Amino acid sequence: QQPVQSPQAVILREGEDAVINCSSSKALYSVHWYRQKHGEAPVFLMILLKGGEQKGHEKISASFNEKKQQSSLYLTASQLSYSGTYFCGTAKPSGAGSYQLTFGKGTKLSVIP
Amino acid sequence: DGGITQSPKYLFRKEGQNVTLSCEQNLNHDAMYWYRQDPGQGLRLIYYSQIVNDFQKGDIAEGYSVSREKKESFPLTVTSAQKNPTAFYLCASSIRTVKDPGELFFGEGSRLTVL
Repeated sequence: QQPVQSPQAVILREGEDAVINCSSSKALYSVHWYRQKHGEAPVFLMILLKGGEQKGHEKISASFNEKKQQSSLYLTASQLSYSGTYFCGTAKPSGAGSYQLTFGKGTKLSVIP
Repeated sequence: DGGITQSPKYLFRKEGQNVTLSCEQNLNHDAMYWYRQDPGQGLRLIYYSQIVNDFQKGDIAEGYSVSREKKESFPLTVTSAQKNPTAFYLCASSIRTVKDPGELFFGEGSRLTVL
């Protein structure tokens, strides 16, 4: 089942902040964040693991609330290069060391001058 | 340069034909994935594989088949049983860890259009 992202779309002026939310009806094992620019492949931003460990982009921050089964991505002082569609993915173990990674429908972020 | 190569980039096929999309990686990654992307639907998992000769169905596997005979290769066949195959297909790979599937590296994608 896909995680639910909100908002679906947001428009910012350069320098403004934004928060993108991701929630799941199932227990979250880890949360991944990716950004995809139009016509390009998705690019990794961050992984948040249970217990607070994070791996990823230095200029982007995110939170992971295991109890609420939610994650939020914080984009501060936005730049034009932040424009794109942001996807959250939730991973769950599927046996024998395998993981299934399921993505949400995405949040389209547009930063304007 | 290491990376993931998908081919072809664009593909047209007639209804009723099977088509195979290629995905090759030279990153020495264990795990490989196929996703389908449709407007407004995000990335939906078709199949994934953690090791050679083993793969699992994702959320929308019906009408698709895969093989994993080599670590570097994970081709996807879109069969005639797939009712709505026109889409953008993305292949990815990752270094799987004990705790998590790891960062996914995506290919540039293959756009399939059924005429």
